[in-house]
Amino acid sequence: EAGVAQSPRYKIIEKRQSVAFWCNPISGHATLYWYQQILGQGPKLLIQFQNNGVVDDSQLPKDRFSAERLKGVDSTLKIQPAKLEDSAVYLCASSPSKTGELFFGEGSRLTVL
Amino acid sequence: SQKIEQNSEALNIQEGKTATLTCNYTNYSPAYLQWYRQDPGRGPVFLLLIRENEKEKRKERLKVTFDTTLKQSLFHITASQPADSATYLCALDWTAGNKLTFGGGTRVLVKP
Repeated sequence: EAGVAQSPRYKIIEKRQSVAFWCNPISGHATLYWYQQILGQGPKLLIQFQNNGVVDDSQLPKDRFSAERLKGVDSTLKIQPAKLEDSAVYLCASSPSKTGELFFGEGSRLTVL
Repeated sequence: SQKIEQNSEALNIQEGKTATLTCNYTNYSPAYLQWYRQDPGRGPVFLLLIRENEKEKRKERLKVTFDTTLKQSLFHITASQPADSATYLCALDWTAGNKLTFGGGTRVLVKP
């Protein structure tokens, strides 16, 4: 079974520029998550989708971050404009149910200069 | 707000010994708790899940305990091997809606 696919793996931009990350979850997984992981810290939840609806986006900085999951399958996370503190790995995860393990992708590493 | 504490210092252990990691939390107990392994440059990989009403779970050389009185989970790797070297993350769900909050992780280094 194919895992969670993310792209790009690496991105370097200058502050105030914009960036977008793409995630394709495991087929059939209804729940999709975006996490931000700053170096040396654990992942922090940004947004959780159930099918194409948002379950929780309370920790998403909505003035600069946006995410969508059209048709309840793949998802895009956008940052505009980027700040230096947005440098992190952005992890996408999916889950087949409302409780249970999360399957993570390899992450997209963002460096903001 | 709920907090999760994992030992931020790396755990150095000799091959063959048992590694024990702690995960402490504040306030009320979560519906369930999960442990993940993360290798450098990779996404976390699920290891074990334990529910609020369970005291212990095992999987091969791994064992997790959950003490709601102490507000603590212990993660054990028995007969540790160099291949077990990684960062181990605990994650708690207080909502029973699979909204996981992760701890900062503990790095384990198993020396041959």
